[in-house]
Amino acid sequence: GQSLEQPSEVTAVEGAIVQINCTYQTSGFYGLSWYQQHDGGAPTFLSYNALDGLEETGRFSSFLSRSDSYGYLLLQELQMKDSASYFCAVRDGFNKFYFGSGTKLNVKP
Amino acid sequence: KAGVTQTPRYLIKTRGQQVTLSCSPISGHRSVSWYQQTPGQGLQFLFEYFSETQRNKGNFPGRFSGRQFSNSRSEMNVSTLELGDSALYLCASSLATSGEEQFFGPGTRLTVL
Repeated sequence: GQSLEQPSEVTAVEGAIVQINCTYQTSGFYGLSWYQQHDGGAPTFLSYNALDGLEETGRFSSFLSRSDSYGYLLLQELQMKDSASYFCAVRDGFNKFYFGSGTKLNVKP
Repeated sequence: KAGVTQTPRYLIKTRGQQVTLSCSPISGHRSVSWYQQTPGQGLQFLFEYFSETQRNKGNFPGRFSGRQFSNSRSEMNVSTLELGDSALYLCASSLATSGEEQFFGPGTRLTVL
């Protein structure tokens, strides 16, 4: 079956760098997406990787290794507003989306 | 450009009833997907519609159904509600079925008593 694994919770201090890992197992694979969701809010799109390598968007970067079925989201210069849940998501070979269970990031002053 | 809207935002039903939730995608977006979000199961894919056709369906029982209209607005219906159907139901739209960037609505919080 399809599965995505990511840590349930991560804590870091303001200004630090944090990496949230995601490993996946799917039948077919188109790409890995990352979404951010604040408490009580809707998920918002952060990044998408279809090919191996690093994609950078401001303070956020996302990495994919298709051969390792692994990706990560890197958040730099952490700010308090980055406290949220982060989800990795995969579109499998049948075009269905699967989301990880989410990583709750706590940013402390 | 207006975002994805969902109505109602909150709903309380009792077991055995049925419910219909509505989603209006961003103007120009033709793909609409539905997700169920619960604390224990996370975000689970329900189905995806494109041009009024169901393109994909997740692993949910037949009590969960949906449709899409010619203006891309979508509805999902849950019949014979169970306590376990209590969840946040999220709708997301994208330009095309291959659109990796999905825009989510605020969700409908369904409580089944």
